[in-house]
Amino acid sequence: AQRVTQPEKLLSVFKGAPVELKCNYSYSGSPELFWYVQYSRQRLQLLLRHISRESIKGFTADLNKGETSFHLKKPFAQEEDSAMYYCALSGSTGTASKLTFGTGTRLQVTL
Amino acid sequence: GAVVSQHPSWVICKSGTSVKIECRSLDFQATTMFWYRQFPKQSLMLMATSNEGSKATYEQGVEKDKFLINHASLTLSTLTVTSAHPEDSSFYICSAPDTFAGELFFGEGSRLTVL
Repeated sequence: AQRVTQPEKLLSVFKGAPVELKCNYSYSGSPELFWYVQYSRQRLQLLLRHISRESIKGFTADLNKGETSFHLKKPFAQEEDSAMYYCALSGSTGTASKLTFGTGTRLQVTL
Repeated sequence: GAVVSQHPSWVICKSGTSVKIECRSLDFQATTMFWYRQFPKQSLMLMATSNEGSKATYEQGVEKDKFLINHASLTLSTLTVTSAHPEDSSFYICSAPDTFAGELFFGEGSRLTVL
């Protein structure tokens, strides 16, 4: 069975401080990992995926197979980063693959 | 990016009635769509995979007769909550993959309240 764990329900940081949203997964094969973001009153949208190895809005995430983690990081938090963040896992490749979501972490960036 | 639209955004119904929620991909075709359910302050739980032209695939523990899914065309999937009860009250979200864009897009969600 596949599982995604986000241990923190709420993460509050000051503007300009580093951010790390934790995500651990459980899966027997080679998963695809994603981070989705949901801004206030908006729909869920893709932030980044591990296979792209890109930085989006200053966020990066590295897949660590040894620690089965996919933590989301940003060196300097901005107010507009305040949102709900979900880590998700797909057990198969391809866009049309079902996702298993973590419980989400609310990031609150304060002045 | 591509747009997935859900209708209605919110609905209130009486216990025992049926409610239909539509999910449309507005500018792309999707042979597959996914239906999720989200309880307050909890994660999205996959309910079923909707397949155009064939039966939906339900996740373990999801009642097929309770949550009827029909994928009538390449741009429309519907979820019907039959004989709704208060415990069916939830936020239902659909998603559709745009294989050309290589991304999964989500609808805005539909909040169902059963009185």
